[in-house]
Amino acid sequence: EPEVTQTPSHQVTQMGQEVILRCVPISNHLYFYWYRQILGQKVEFLVSFYNNEISEKSEIFDDQFSVERPDGSNFTLKIRSTKLEDSAMYFCASQKPGLRANEKLFFGSGTQLSVL
Amino acid sequence: SQQGEEDPQALSIQEGENATMNCSYKTSINNLQWYRQNSGRGLVHLILIRSNEREKHSGRLRVTLDTSKKSSSLLITASRAADTASYFCATDGYGNNRLAFGKGNQVVVIP
Repeated sequence: EPEVTQTPSHQVTQMGQEVILRCVPISNHLYFYWYRQILGQKVEFLVSFYNNEISEKSEIFDDQFSVERPDGSNFTLKIRSTKLEDSAMYFCASQKPGLRANEKLFFGSGTQLSVL
Repeated sequence: SQQGEEDPQALSIQEGENATMNCSYKTSINNLQWYRQNSGRGLVHLILIRSNEREKHSGRLRVTLDTSKKSSSLLITASRAADTASYFCATDGYGNNRLAFGKGNQVVVIP
């Protein structure tokens, strides 16, 4: 089965630094997402992306966050100035075209971000 | 907002036994999905049940959905050691573009 790939698998950064998390969604998918999971807590929605623009974002996704699909294959999440509370596992997901309500999400294996 | 909420269970069962976990949510949904997460890994989709469906099977998995009670259950029959994982329900609601995940159930299958 095709996979969503994420790099790096682990990222350690200093507070205040910028990080970019990278994802390669499945090639014929049109909907893209970022979620995160703080250790021991729920998986939380951050942002959805369709047709080269954000279609929805959560209250977590503030001005420090941005997403981009710079070419036909990559989908990135940038955190401009990381905070300690940004430490979490970040998951990218993609979804194929069709009636969205009937389609599952394919998740990557995640990037563990540690902010020191 | 949508909110999947599993019963906060940690199940520990013997191989071969069945495992049941529950999920409740608060508002109307398009569908409800169950995902599995092995320790430190990504989320793997297990099964999707639409709001107009009441029961669905996939291999050893059986999912029920009761929209009047806003609840769902996931049954894993004849469990195996490889079923050891966390299981999450997630709801896909109307008018938004996001899944709302529950807290997850940790299932340990003892060989």
